[in-house]
Amino acid sequence: RKEVEQDPGPFNVPEGATVAFNCTYSNSASQSFFWYRQDCRKEPKLLMSVYSSGNEDGRFTAQLNRASQYISLLIRDSKLSDSATYLCVVKRGGYNKLIFGAGTRLAVHP
Amino acid sequence: GAGVSQSPSNKVTEKGKDVELRCDPISGHTALYWYRQSLGQGLEFLIYFQGNSAPDKSGLPSDRFSAERTGGSVSTLTIQRTQQEDSAVYLCASSASGQTSGANVLTFGAGSRLTVL
Repeated sequence: RKEVEQDPGPFNVPEGATVAFNCTYSNSASQSFFWYRQDCRKEPKLLMSVYSSGNEDGRFTAQLNRASQYISLLIRDSKLSDSATYLCVVKRGGYNKLIFGAGTRLAVHP
Repeated sequence: GAGVSQSPSNKVTEKGKDVELRCDPISGHTALYWYRQSLGQGLEFLIYFQGNSAPDKSGLPSDRFSAERTGGSVSTLTIQRTQQEDSAVYLCASSASGQTSGANVLTFGAGSRLTVL
C-alpha cells in the first residue's frame, strides 16, 4: 500500500462546477499536509497548506481529518485554468521529507 | 538565484552509459531534494540533503544511483550504467530549513528529462 493514496481521476467537469478530491495517508506520525498543483509537463507548485481546522484560499478549501487520516480539497466555481494534476503531499515528522501522492487529474471544459 | 536551476533539461543516452544531472538550488536554501517522475506517475522520493549531508537516501533505487552536494549549494545526481527503466524526469527541489514555515515549501526546478535508449 502506498503511503499517500489518491483517486487518479480524471475528473472531467464543466466550468462553474464544484469538485472535490480526496487523499488518504497511512503514516499516523505525519505532521504536515499540503496540496501541490502540477500542470502538464511542468514542475509541481505549492497550491496550499492544509491545517487541522480547515482553511480556505479563494475558491479552494482544504480539510484534514487526522482521526481518519484523510485530506480533501474542494474547488468551487471551476475555471478552465484549474485543469491540472493535484498532488496530495504529506510530511513526516522529524525532518523535511515530503511524500507525494500520484495525483488526481482535473479537466475543466467549457 | 531566483529559482531552482537544473541541467541538462533533456538528456538522451544509450543504455550502459553514465549520466550526471545538476541542480542549483535557491540561494540560502539549505535543504535540497531529488525526486523522480516517470510518465504518468507520481513523484518518487530519491534523496534529501541538509547542507552537504544526506540524512535520507532511502529512495535511491540501486547502487547505480549516487548524489552529492558541495558547498551547501549545487548538487549532482549520477546514474551509472543507465538502464531503460531509468528513463524519467528527475526533479530537484529546495527549501528553507529549520522550524520556519518555509521549511515546508518546496520550490522545484523544471526537471531533467532523461531518455535511455
